[in-house]
Amino acid sequence: AQSVTQLGSHVSVSEGALVLLRCNYSSSVPPYLFWYVQYPNQGLQLLLKYTTGATLVKGINGFEAEFKKSETSFHLTKPSAHMSDAAEYFCAVSDYSQFNKFYFGSGTKLNVKP
Amino acid sequence: EAGVAQSPRYKIIEKRQSVAFWCNPISGHATLYWYQQILGQGPKLLIQFQNNGVVDDSQLPKDRFSAERLKGVDSTLKIQPAKLEDSAVYLCASSLDYRMTNEQYFGPGTRLTVT
Repeated sequence: AQSVTQLGSHVSVSEGALVLLRCNYSSSVPPYLFWYVQYPNQGLQLLLKYTTGATLVKGINGFEAEFKKSETSFHLTKPSAHMSDAAEYFCAVSDYSQFNKFYFGSGTKLNVKP
Repeated sequence: EAGVAQSPRYKIIEKRQSVAFWCNPISGHATLYWYQQILGQGPKLLIQFQNNGVVDDSQLPKDRFSAERLKGVDSTLKIQPAKLEDSAVYLCASSLDYRMTNEQYFGPGTRLTVT
């Protein structure tokens, strides 16, 4: 079975500081990995995804994530936080052996201080 | 391109009442998903449709939850009777075809409060 663990339910950074949101996964098959962002009262929006190939994946709004198989991790980073980045971020793994079923982590709320 | 539409956006009901949610996926998307997102948790898949057939409903509490996608386009999710623990946001998502892509597009959700 697949599972996702996001360390830190709340992360607070200053504007302009590095953003690092942690995600570790467990998968019985080579994983497809995703990061989604959720703004208040909105649905989830895809930030980036890893399927195969290059392990450093670039997404929208300056975010990127690196797939590290040896560490079973897919941490999300952004060099410089903006106020508009304040939202909740979800890491997910999909299992192509189970109809591409998604398993989400419990989310990390990012607060950006001025 | 219009996104995934859901209604209502908010619903408050008393326990033991029934409620229904509606979802209209992106035009042309064959796969439709319903998720339950309880406060403080990530979304959990309830049911997955491919056109008008069910692909996976293993996590749907079938004693009280039902869902249909009769014409393979829009879908309804029903809860009858509701319990306090059903308070959550119900998200609908769609994808072009789960056999070809794992990219899902999410609607804004319906926030259900059961009192």
